[in-house]
Amino acid sequence: KAGVTQTPRYLIKTRGQQVTLSCSPISGHRSVSWYQQTPGQGLQFLFEYFSETQRNKGNFPGRFSGRQFSNSRSEMNVSTLELGDSALYLCASSLRTSGDTGELFFGEGSRLTVL
Amino acid sequence: GQQLNQSPQSMFIQEGEDVSMNCTSSSIFNTWLWYKQDPGEGPVLLIALYKAGELTSNGRLTAQFGITRKDSFLNISASIPSDVGIYFCAGQSFDMRFGAGTRLTVKP
Repeated sequence: KAGVTQTPRYLIKTRGQQVTLSCSPISGHRSVSWYQQTPGQGLQFLFEYFSETQRNKGNFPGRFSGRQFSNSRSEMNVSTLELGDSALYLCASSLRTSGDTGELFFGEGSRLTVL
Repeated sequence: GQQLNQSPQSMFIQEGEDVSMNCTSSSIFNTWLWYKQDPGEGPVLLIALYKAGELTSNGRLTAQFGITRKDSFLNISASIPSDVGIYFCAGQSFDMRFGAGTRLTVKP
């Protein structure tokens, strides 16, 4: 059974550009969450999608957005990149349905460097 | 959102020693999970706990869900070099919150 797949694994952008990251969840998982990981802030929750709807959102500016497709694949977008957006962006999927808790299974992450 | 208080931040131990780390929160969680992250990789789930007071083992790892639902601990017995990495606790209710991690170094 394939795990969570994230692409690209590494990318370098410059300030002001925008970036789109992709995540394919484990087959059968309909919930996809995104996290930003930095040495100083640890793992910070960005948002969660379930059945193409954003179910929960963390405390990030509107430059960070996401979406989920009917096949549960998800993308996140960061516009007008800032130096502080350099981080490892992790996607996680789970079997979680409405109101239930569920174990998160993480991808290997997309490491973004903003110059 | 509120993060969890995880301690210690780092540990340097000798191979064969036991390890203990814990997480506390002022909030109640329905689920506690423990993850391990190797450099350049995503976190990997080690143990999941679903009931207050629950004690669960996975090989040399043992974790407990605190009776107040506000804390959890993870023990590693007889550490080996491949235990090196960063261990994260996570508490979940409607969403999931993470501790800052415990960086474990094991000296052969």
